[in-house]
Amino acid sequence: KQEVTQIPAALSVPEGENLVLNCSFTDSAIYNLQWFRQDPGKGLTSLLLIQSSQREQTSGRLNASLDKSSGRSTLYIAASQPGDSATYLCAVNDMRFGAGTRLTVKP
Amino acid sequence: DTAVSQTPKYLVTQMGNDKSIKCEQNLGHDTMYWYKQDSKKFLKIMFSYNNKELIINETVPNRFSPKSPDKAHLNLHINSLELGDSAVYFCASSQVITSGNTIYFGEGSWLTVV
Repeated sequence: KQEVTQIPAALSVPEGENLVLNCSFTDSAIYNLQWFRQDPGKGLTSLLLIQSSQREQTSGRLNASLDKSSGRSTLYIAASQPGDSATYLCAVNDMRFGAGTRLTVKP
Repeated sequence: DTAVSQTPKYLVTQMGNDKSIKCEQNLGHDTMYWYKQDSKKFLKIMFSYNNKELIINETVPNRFSPKSPDKAHLNLHINSLELGDSAVYFCASSQVITSGNTIYFGEGSWLTVV
């Protein structure tokens, strides 16, 4: 059974820092991996979707990479802003979610 | 215009009651999902329907019964509610299952069983 782990569980950084969130999965037979953002009391918003044949996707200040062989994905956020504060979740195959990383960006 | 909408947003009910949560998507997607997010914020898939047909049923008690009258709607009915059912329930949709399309989530339904 696919297990998805996200480290760290929480992260606090000053504004302007570049940061990396990690996601690992146990079964490399995946067809996609998505990164989501969840704000308190809200649903999830898809940030980046990486198909199994891709190695990375970029959107604005966000870059997500995928290494199936090692069972890892990273979400890189450049020049972080207070508005980036939220919980970030990764999901494998639309079904298996990590527990999320709660990010706080301090002004 | 909300893409995935679910009602009610908040629901407080007593143990033993039966309740339903409704979900509708106006994106023309073929696949709809129900997820449960527990108090520890861990999100787990419960069901997935593709074109009104049940595709995924993830070891959910049979007190939970999804109903899909058409591919734009997937309702969740829960019988004999228990304290442990208290959670946030999210409905979602995507174009086609297993093809790696973006998933769109509703805002969630906060269920509290007392």
